Amino acid sequence: AQSVSQHNHHVILSEAASLELGCNYSYGGTVNLFWYVQYPGQHLQLLLKYFSGDPLVKGIKGFEAEFIKSKFSFNLRKPSVQWSDTAEYFCAVNAHGNNRLAFGKGNQVVVIP
Amino acid sequence: DGGITQSPKYLFRKEGQNVTLSCEQNLNHDAMYWYRQDPGQGLRLIYYSQIVNDFQKGDIAEGYSVSREKKESFPLTVTSAQKNPTAFYLCASSSGRDYEQYFGPGTRLTVT
Repeated sequence: AQSVSQHNHHVILSEAASLELGCNYSYGGTVNLFWYVQYPGQHLQLLLKYFSGDPLVKGIKGFEAEFIKSKFSFNLRKPSVQWSDTAEYFCAVNAHGNNRLAFGKGNQVVVIP
Repeated sequence: DGGITQSPKYLFRKEGQNVTLSCEQNLNHDAMYWYRQDPGQGLRLIYYSQIVNDFQKGDIAEGYSVSREKKESFPLTVTSAQKNPTAFYLCASSSGRDYEQYFGPGTRLTVT
């Protein structure tokens, strides 16, 4: 079964700072990769996804993620955060052809105005 | 408006009682899922169903039960056998195996 690691559970940064959240997974086969975001009081929603093709994926609200197969990583980045990016971010992985989605423990990001 | 509905938003129960959480979707998705979210633990899969009348255990199925009699509905019962039932429960659905999952607003269950 696949597992997902997210480090630095709590991240606090100022507006305009750059954000990078790490995600590593353990699974040797082909995977689908996701970043979900949970804004305070809102549904969990998809930020971006990677199934195949260009390993640099662009998502909503200026976020992007890069899939590095050799490192089993799918790190999330945003060059300049805003106060509205305050949320919890979850990385998730499933093996190709498998419904079961494995989530990391999440990163609680607080952006100070 | 297409989406996933979970009700109620907040639920309170006494220890020893079974409780059923509702999940309905009108996205015409085949697959549905139940997760449990605890602070600092991420989401953990309880049960999932790929088609009507079929479901599989996830990673933490003990003390829970589900049914899938209709495509639109996937209720979760938290039984008295679940040792630590107080949590935030999320329902999700997807078109199939290689598609993203869409999430409902969640039900926060408190058992005292």
